[in-house]
Amino acid sequence: GAGVSQSPSNKVTEKGKDVELRCDPISGHTALYWYRQSLGQGLEFLIYFQGNSAPDKSGLPSDRFSAERTGGSVSTLTIQRTQQEDSAVYLCASSPRGAISYEQYFGPGTRLTVT
Amino acid sequence: GENVEQHPSTLSVQEGDSAVIKCTYSDSASNYFPWYKQELGKGPQLIIDIRSNVGEKKDQRIAVTLNKTAKHFSLHITETQPEDSAVYFCAASITGSARQLTFGSGTQLTVLP
Repeated sequence: GAGVSQSPSNKVTEKGKDVELRCDPISGHTALYWYRQSLGQGLEFLIYFQGNSAPDKSGLPSDRFSAERTGGSVSTLTIQRTQQEDSAVYLCASSPRGAISYEQYFGPGTRLTVT
Repeated sequence: GENVEQHPSTLSVQEGDSAVIKCTYSDSASNYFPWYKQELGKGPQLIIDIRSNVGEKKDQRIAVTLNKTAKHFSLHITETQPEDSAVYFCAASITGSARQLTFGSGTQLTVLP
């Protein structure tokens, strides 16, 4: 079946501009995660959505970062007033329903370059 | 919070040899330990995972071992092939409703033909 999809695959923006990154999770997956991967680094947790519960925003690096998930499916990560240090690959993952299900399935990522 | 350390950062092996990547974690409450393989330009792909009630798990050429007492777990790849070349990440989950993953810093595995 279809996996997690993300768009755009690449985004180049000027410093100070706002950007929106989109994630379409696997159909039926209730949990959705955003991570950031800087060049040559591991994955840094940003935000987590589970069903209709309030999102866990504990990983967001600043108030310039926000995310929403509409209708329990598609999610958008917004970065306002982008800075050069925001340049990274932004990865989205989704996870199936179920108390014992921990598996996360990742999308291909969006490579963001702030010039 | 949880901290995961991964070694080595780079690993080169000859085709057919075995490769071992090791990770340690800090939070004794962690109970889920997946391994991801990331090829260039792609998102991480889950290749194997282990839960804290199991000491070892094997899937064809890949195996993972877990030592809860020492708080470390390892990935073993036998009979390596060039297509095994990729970056491998270990991770650990923090118990609780969030179940977010804390990742290691990754290991670049190169299998030389």
